[in-house]
Amino acid sequence: AQSVAQPEDQVNVAEGNPLTVKCTYSVSGNPYLFWYVQYPNRGLQFLLKYITGDNLVKGSYGFEAEFNKSQTSFHLKKPSALVSDSALYFCAVRDVRGGATNKLIFGTGTLLAVQP
Amino acid sequence: DAGVTQSPTHLIKTRGQQVTLRCSPKSGHDTVSWYQQALGQGPQFIFQYYEEEERQRGNFPDRFSGHQFPNYSSELNVNALLLGDSALYLCASSLVGAATGELFFGEGSRLTVL
Repeated sequence: AQSVAQPEDQVNVAEGNPLTVKCTYSVSGNPYLFWYVQYPNRGLQFLLKYITGDNLVKGSYGFEAEFNKSQTSFHLKKPSALVSDSALYFCAVRDVRGGATNKLIFGTGTLLAVQP
Repeated sequence: DAGVTQSPTHLIKTRGQQVTLRCSPKSGHDTVSWYQQALGQGPQFIFQYYEEEERQRGNFPDRFSGHQFPNYSSELNVNALLLGDSALYLCASSLVGAATGELFFGEGSRLTVL
């Protein structure tokens, strides 16, 4: 079955420090992986995706993610955190079962709190 | 370029009532998906519409139904509301031909069932 896991409910980091939000996946076949961010009382905004190619994917707002096939991980990273990065982050995998296109299965989310 | 728009943004209903939520997809998109996001959870897939037909349904009861119109907009209907239906309902649009494309989400409709 296709699934993603986000092992941390919350990540705390000081402004200016690097941040990592963890995600592991379980898929049959090639994984199509995504990161989305959700600010309070808002919808989800796309950050980046891995389809194929370079294992380091660059996305919006200075975020990047590293795909690691052997560890089945797709961790979200940023070299220097900003207070404005504080939000809820979701990892997702595309589910190829059934007739829907671009159907995503989401993790439970990780709350990122950046302290000034 | 208009993004995904949803209405209403907030609504309060009582148990047993019915609700209709509306969604206009991003310009140029032809596929609409609906997700339910309960408090503290990730979004859960309800169903997807393309060419005015339901393409796939997630693990949701028949009380949840939908419709897609010729202009690609969509409605989500929930009948016989339960307290557990309280959630943020998200509409997402995409292009069926973009098999590896991302979903574009609206701001959501927050439903509270009392």
